[in-house]
Amino acid sequence: ETGVTQTPRHLVMGMTNKKSLKCEQHLGHNAMYWYKQSAKKPLELMFVYNFKEQTENNSVPSRFSPECPNSSHLFLHLHTLQPEDSALYLCASSPAGLAGYTGELFFGEGSRLTVL
Amino acid sequence: GQQLNQSPQSMFIQEGEDVSMNCTSSSIFNTWLWYKQDPGEGPVLLIALYKAGELTSNGRLTAQFGITRKDSFLNISASIPSDVGIYFCAGPSNYQLIWGAGTKLIIKP
Repeated sequence: ETGVTQTPRHLVMGMTNKKSLKCEQHLGHNAMYWYKQSAKKPLELMFVYNFKEQTENNSVPSRFSPECPNSSHLFLHLHTLQPEDSALYLCASSPAGLAGYTGELFFGEGSRLTVL
Repeated sequence: GQQLNQSPQSMFIQEGEDVSMNCTSSSIFNTWLWYKQDPGEGPVLLIALYKAGELTSNGRLTAQFGITRKDSFLNISASIPSDVGIYFCAGPSNYQLIWGAGTKLIIKP
């Protein structure tokens, strides 16, 4: 099993659809993250969960709804998205939570989302 | 907010050439990180720098933490085809990572 696994790898959805992205980490880490990656732009942090508790929500629109049922799983629920939400969504985990944060993140392969 | 400016945005090089890229900021960072993203993959940490002036190597990669703590450099010697990808600099700030926009490395056939 790879360290951080994301499914699906590719997703095409209409603006009225509801879909979910899934992330699972097998590294025993305490913190998990959702990032949005658009071409030629810095990675945008969306959400942070530390020991299953959401500690960061970077002004993300409510059409993105995260869920973290345990320290190993993270979901991103998608509802009524816009075409500009098309991007690569990356999940990451880190060994340390907020305490002792070193910036070392372990990323999944990403879910490529296309909104029509 | 804090920003990291990476240059160049992209590089076209011949196999075997050395590569240099840098990252600058208007504010101080106490840690500099360099990540690489292969096509179709997520970013992977290459090198972490924790001390101003520090020079750290990882195989053919060498990175330096600028003495002013406002910049960092990454050099790749004798590039090979598997070096293609996007290189990101990043720095922790308030328990978040600030990212550069990346330098895309392309090797000419």
